[in-house]
Amino acid sequence: EAGVTQSPTHLIKTRGQQATLRCSPISGHTSVYWYQQALGLGLQFLLWYDEGEERNRGNFPPRFSGRQFPNYSSELNVNALELEDSALYLCASRTRVNTGELFFGEGSRLTVL
Amino acid sequence: GEDVEQSLFLSVREGDSSVINCTYTDSSSTYLYWYKQEPGAGLQLLTYIFSNMDMKQDQRLTVLLNKKDKHLSLRIADTQTGDSAIYFCAEGSRAGNNRKLIWGLGTSLAVNP
Repeated sequence: EAGVTQSPTHLIKTRGQQATLRCSPISGHTSVYWYQQALGLGLQFLLWYDEGEERNRGNFPPRFSGRQFPNYSSELNVNALELEDSALYLCASRTRVNTGELFFGEGSRLTVL
Repeated sequence: GEDVEQSLFLSVREGDSSVINCTYTDSSSTYLYWYKQEPGAGLQLLTYIFSNMDMKQDQRLTVLLNKKDKHLSLRIADTQTGDSAIYFCAEGSRAGNNRKLIWGLGTSLAVNP
């Protein structure tokens, strides 16, 4: 069974540009979570999608947005990139009926120059 | 608000036991998790414990939960160099359909030969 897949693995952008990151959850998982892992800041919760809808949002500005598609895959968009957006962006998925365990992808490393 | 705290670094010798500690504040926690992140990779669930349990053992891993003190620990017996990673503690609670995970900043475990 394929795990959570994320693309691209690495992305380099310049300030002011826009970045799009993609995530495919494990088959059968309906919930997708996005996290930002910046150096020294641990895991910061960004967004939670379930059944195509945004269910919860972390403390991030509106230029961080996303969506979940009917096949439960998800996109994270970051507009007007700033240097401090450089981080590892992790996607995780889970089913509804379990212990709440999250299955993580390997992340997309975004570097903003 | 809810918070999870962990010490940031731990260094042990190969073959010794490692104990990683975590404290949390949310008394409505349902599950508590330990995730492992190896360099350049996403997070992987190591083990979890229900909040009504005191202890859980899984091969080299022992999780102890002191619910009164809101203290969780992960003991790794016979620590190996392959155990070098960042270990994240997370606590999960549920309010209606809204599942929430609060993460610690992670403990970086260094295993010296």
